[in-house]
Amino acid sequence: GEDVEQSLFLSVREGDSSVINCTYTDSSSTYLYWYKQEPGAGLQLLTYIFSNMDMKQDQRLTVLLNKKDKHLSLRIADTQTGDSAIYFCADDGGYNKLIFGAGTRLAVHP
Amino acid sequence: EADIYQTPRYLVIGTGKKITLECSQTMGHDKMYWYQQDPGMELHLIHYSYGVNSTEKGDLSSESTVSRIRTEHFPLTLESARPSHTSQYLCASRPDRGGNTIYFGEGSWLTVV
Repeated sequence: GEDVEQSLFLSVREGDSSVINCTYTDSSSTYLYWYKQEPGAGLQLLTYIFSNMDMKQDQRLTVLLNKKDKHLSLRIADTQTGDSAIYFCADDGGYNKLIFGAGTRLAVHP
Repeated sequence: EADIYQTPRYLVIGTGKKITLECSQTMGHDKMYWYQQDPGMELHLIHYSYGVNSTEKGDLSSESTVSRIRTEHFPLTLESARPSHTSQYLCASRPDRGGNTIYFGEGSWLTVV
């Protein structure tokens, strides 16, 4: 079946860039998403990318998509302590099921 | 602003009780989903629906059941709750075609004692 994989932990210094990586297996994906979840809170949609794009930029966020390798990344520029959270990559499987990765726990330290 | 609502937000019930978690959306979305998430852990798809009278089991085996009698309503039921069902349950919806935004409810935190 479809699968989405992410590294579980990332630690960065405040002010540096963070890069969170994700790989997926479904070749029929239409949209790929990045969600942020803070402790005890719900899911917040950060950004998404259509599968025929290879890059999308939204303020401090840059999404890169390599469709051939089925690799997605999220870059957060000038990472702040408020960015500490769990980041989930999700694949829509071509408008069908929404499959999430296990989440990457981003820790930002001074 | 997402118009998708879950009730109850928080619930503590005893083992063996029957519980229904409600999810409603007013956006006319055909596709709806239920996810189970333990705190700080990954989301597991347990049920989804493509529209009225359509329900499918997700990737994670679940003892819960769902129904989709109306477009706007996608309730999840546990016939006999157990402590292993303690978790957060998240409902989501999206349009059938042409919509790239997935809307999530705020979640229902269930504790079974």
